[in-house]
Amino acid sequence: GQQLNQSPQSMFIQEGEDVSMNCTSSSIFNTWLWYKQDPGEGPVLLIALYKAGELTSNGRLTAQFGITRKDSFLNISASIPSDVGIYFCAGQGGHNAGGTSYGKLTFGQGTILTVHP
Amino acid sequence: NAGVTQTPKFQVLKTGQSMTLQCAQDMNHNSMYWYRQDPGMGLRLIYYSASEGTTDKGEVPNGYNVSRLNKREFSLRLESAAPSQTSVYFCASTTGRRQPQHFGDGTRLSIL
Repeated sequence: GQQLNQSPQSMFIQEGEDVSMNCTSSSIFNTWLWYKQDPGEGPVLLIALYKAGELTSNGRLTAQFGITRKDSFLNISASIPSDVGIYFCAGQGGHNAGGTSYGKLTFGQGTILTVHP
Repeated sequence: NAGVTQTPKFQVLKTGQSMTLQCAQDMNHNSMYWYRQDPGMGLRLIYYSASEGTTDKGEVPNGYNVSRLNKREFSLRLESAAPSQTSVYFCASTTGRRQPQHFGDGTRLSIL
């Protein structure tokens, strides 16, 4: 099946630093999504990207949909302690998905972010 | 507005016991999904329901069954639980194919 490689697996940073993480795929996706998961909760959507080359911001978060449609990155600027959590990329749809995908998501393994005050 | 509600939040089972995990959404979404989350592996799709009355297998369906009871509810059943099914289970829903999924807070299931 489709695989997403997300890196890095974990990051330990100081408050105020910028963060960058990315996802690459062997297959094309029509949509890229970035989610954040806090302990004991489900993933919450941060940013959705629908077009190759699209660059979208949500406050201190910026994400881009790669031109090849096989990758995406997420940047967090000026990190704060509440940014702590697990960040997941997810790809949706795509020519190689096989027929109608019905919105099925393929997730990366996650990036665990720790922010030291 | 509750969004996606999962019950129970925690459960411990013995090997061989059966159990049904419940999921309900109040957003009038058409499609619903069940995932499992294991350490270092992200979320993997077990089953999904594109619309009321239809269900299909995902990436890891073995050992599970599902029922789309109505538009709001989508349940996941373990007929004979095995230790390998110890995991956190998430239900999600969405309005359509290119729309983001909204997740519940998960059911933490341990099988001894």
